[in-house]
Amino acid sequence: RKEVEQDPGPFNVPEGATVAFNCTYSNSASQSFFWYRQDCRKEPKLLMSVYSSGNEDGRFTAQLNRASQYISLLIRDSKLSDSATYLCVVNMGGNNDMRFGAGTRLTVKP
Amino acid sequence: GAGVSQSPSNKVTEKGKDVELRCDPISGHTALYWYRQSLGQGLEFLIYFQGNSAPDKSGLPSDRFSAERTGGSVSTLTIQRTQQEDSAVYLCASSLEGSAGNTIYFGEGSWLTVV
Repeated sequence: RKEVEQDPGPFNVPEGATVAFNCTYSNSASQSFFWYRQDCRKEPKLLMSVYSSGNEDGRFTAQLNRASQYISLLIRDSKLSDSATYLCVVNMGGNNDMRFGAGTRLTVKP
Repeated sequence: GAGVSQSPSNKVTEKGKDVELRCDPISGHTALYWYRQSLGQGLEFLIYFQGNSAPDKSGLPSDRFSAERTGGSVSTLTIQRTQQEDSAVYLCASSLEGSAGNTIYFGEGSWLTVV
């Protein structure tokens, strides 16, 4: 099993749609979780952290399910500018060694 | 500088040549990562440095790849006897020391093409 797994997509959705991505991780000792966004031919940048209690930032909601070892990202009211690849990031155990998923590609269409 | 700095930004090399890629992390960041990303693919972990600890080299794809970090700051990734499949963007990232979960900041990458 890969350390961090994501559905590669692509997800093609119309503007205004709600879309959700999941990411599973293999290390039950992982403590830190993030979603990063990567635009075409650009470096990844932090989108949001994922907290145990779940957290929301505008149209974006992140959740963690420790029992099933997955995190999720929900995007409401999709915008054209949301088109990007979304990478989940998980730390390996109790240290700062972070591993990325392969990313889920999202295209929002007019 | 304010961010992670990588050089060269672009490199075209002939098959069989050695290349060195440099990464200058954000000042004060003790964790440093190298990742590789082929066109249209996800990030492939290569190596992780944390302070004075032994680096995690588990992601290096072959013994042609090596990396070092001098003085706990600048890092160099060396690829010997380059092959065409080494063509990719090599991304360096850094984060603060401390408990897990500090934000990782990426450089803009070194785009390597092996011809």
